[in-house]
Amino acid sequence: DTEVTQTPKHLVMGMTNKKSLKCEQHMGHRAMYWYKQKAKKPPELMFVYSYEKLSINESVPSRFSPECPNSSLLNLHLHALQPEDSALYLCASSQDKGKNTGELFFGEGSRLTVL
Amino acid sequence: SQQGEEDPQALSIQEGENATMNCSYKTSINNLQWYRQNSGRGLVHLILIRSNEREKHSGRLRVTLDTSKKSSSLLITASRAADTASYFCATDAAGGYQKVTFGTGTKLQVIP
Repeated sequence: DTEVTQTPKHLVMGMTNKKSLKCEQHMGHRAMYWYKQKAKKPPELMFVYSYEKLSINESVPSRFSPECPNSSLLNLHLHALQPEDSALYLCASSQDKGKNTGELFFGEGSRLTVL
Repeated sequence: SQQGEEDPQALSIQEGENATMNCSYKTSINNLQWYRQNSGRGLVHLILIRSNEREKHSGRLRVTLDTSKKSSSLLITASRAADTASYFCATDAAGGYQKVTFGTGTKLQVIP
């Protein structure tokens, strides 16, 4: 069982909708990640938060807006998405260990379909 | 852009056989990790090897790292049907703290 919880597991939205994906961890990790994974492809890094501050944004379109309200929570706000944004969105967390990134703990993902 | 490429893309073996997957990457790294993903689910961490290590074992897993060739291999011994999954290597480049990028993956099928 994963210690990173993602909700919802499935989401269907229209291109004009606004929705959010949520991620929660209670392992005391100070780094949290969003990845996007298309079918039969590897996960692609989108955002990294370290100590609740955005540390990495991999040139993600502004229709994806991350938020880290506290050290346990990570949100991904979605607005005006395109059908090609349909994918599995994975959240992960890790301990912040200085120079070396350690093991990532992943949630089960939120499968997003944009109509 | 992806850091790692894996081969083979797909591998089918009989239960009890060994499975070997290879990962090549492009730039210097801090460490290399291997993850498993069952179809459509989250990734599970298998093993981490640091750039100053050459070999690491964990149960039926053996990982090697050759930084001069920028490559790593994952060996699963005595495979089981439950090992059927996709396997990804992941690296964080030297100077790229927390920027963990995944290789293209190997889809392993273990036939009972």
